[in-house]
Amino acid sequence: GAGVSQSPSNKVTEKGKDVELRCDPISGHTALYWYRQSLGQGLEFLIYFQGNSAPDKSGLPSDRFSAERTGGSVSTLTIQRTQQEDSAVYLCASSLFRGAAYNEQFFGPGTRLTVL
Amino acid sequence: GQQLNQSPQSMFIQEGEDVSMNCTSSSIFNTWLWYKQDPGEGPVLLIALYKAGELTSNGRLTAQFGITRKDSFLNISASIPSDVGIYFCAGMKTSYDKVIFGPGTSLSVIP
Repeated sequence: GAGVSQSPSNKVTEKGKDVELRCDPISGHTALYWYRQSLGQGLEFLIYFQGNSAPDKSGLPSDRFSAERTGGSVSTLTIQRTQQEDSAVYLCASSLFRGAAYNEQFFGPGTRLTVL
Repeated sequence: GQQLNQSPQSMFIQEGEDVSMNCTSSSIFNTWLWYKQDPGEGPVLLIALYKAGELTSNGRLTAQFGITRKDSFLNISASIPSDVGIYFCAGMKTSYDKVIFGPGTSLSVIP
């Protein structure tokens, strides 16, 4: 079956522009996560969705970052007025649900964002 | 700040050698996870550990949940070129908590 897909795979933008990154989770997965991976770093949690609501958005680094999820499926991460320090790989993951035990998170290939 | 530490940061080994890497924390974790990331791909779960002292194998991979619940180890036996990648440990402090990732160990295998 289809895994998690993300688009675009690469995005180059100029400082100050807005960008939208898209994630298509595995069908039927109710939990969706966004992470940021900077060069040589681990994965930094950004936000978690259960269905269309975001119970945990504690990892969003500033109010320039926002995310939404519609129809319990596709999610979009938006970065406004991009800065050079936003350059990173943005990874999306989905799992069946988030509950009393770890549910395996399946990751997409990521979107590599470069801010010039 | 960084909650998980991984060592070594990078390794260069000969094909056929065994590999050991570890992950430590100053906090107790109830679940330990090991992921592998191939270049240009997202991480893939290798092994999940749920109980202190637990030793779990997946093919040539073996991972252990430290008895202090503050560390975990991953061993790879008889390495092959496709073992190349970044290995991340990750943990959850409680069952309902977010997953926290370590900075990764980069493994290179010389044929």
